[in-house]
Amino acid sequence: AQSVTQLGSHVSVSEGALVLLRCNYSSSVPPYLFWYVQYPNQGLQLLLKYTSAATLVKGINGFEAEFKKSETSFHLTKPSAHMSDAAEYFCAVSEARAGNNRKLIWGLGTSLAVNP
Amino acid sequence: NAGVTQTPKFQVLKTGQSMTLQCAQDMNHNSMYWYRQDPGMGLRLIYYSASEGTTDKGEVPNGYNVSRLNKREFSLRLESAAPSQTSVYFCASSDGTGGVPYEQYFGPGTRLTVT
Repeated sequence: AQSVTQLGSHVSVSEGALVLLRCNYSSSVPPYLFWYVQYPNQGLQLLLKYTSAATLVKGINGFEAEFKKSETSFHLTKPSAHMSDAAEYFCAVSEARAGNNRKLIWGLGTSLAVNP
Repeated sequence: NAGVTQTPKFQVLKTGQSMTLQCAQDMNHNSMYWYRQDPGMGLRLIYYSASEGTTDKGEVPNGYNVSRLNKREFSLRLESAAPSQTSVYFCASSDGTGGVPYEQYFGPGTRLTVT
């Protein structure tokens, strides 16, 4: 069965430090992968997505993620953390089935804290 | 263009009461979803509607019903609320056409407390 594992439910970094949030997936077919961000008391917002084009995907707010098939990973990075990056981050993979309207399978989320 | 809207934003119910959460999208999307979010459990799919006129159960459908009223609207009903249904509920929509699983767009959520 497909699954998404986010390593580390809580990550804390200093302002200006590298942000690295880990996501590993399992899928029997080439996956579509997504990172979403949720700011406090808000809905989820798409950060970036991988849909089998370039393996390095750039998203909003300076985030990027690299698809590594050999490692079944899609880790999210940002070179320099900002206080405004403090949020919950979710990784998701699309269902491995043919046809339209595939559901997303979600990781449990990683809460990012940014310390001054 | 409001995207995905949800009403109400907050609700407190007593055990056994019923209520309907409303969701509407103005993006002409085919698919709509209801999730609940609980601490440490991520997002869990309650029901979804792949297209107008169809609905299907997700991971945690017990205690809920849904109606896809038209292409824009997808409501979630709690017939007899229980404290275990205290949660934040999110509605989402996606295009879902052309064989590509388009991303889901989320509403702001409804915070429900059942006492």
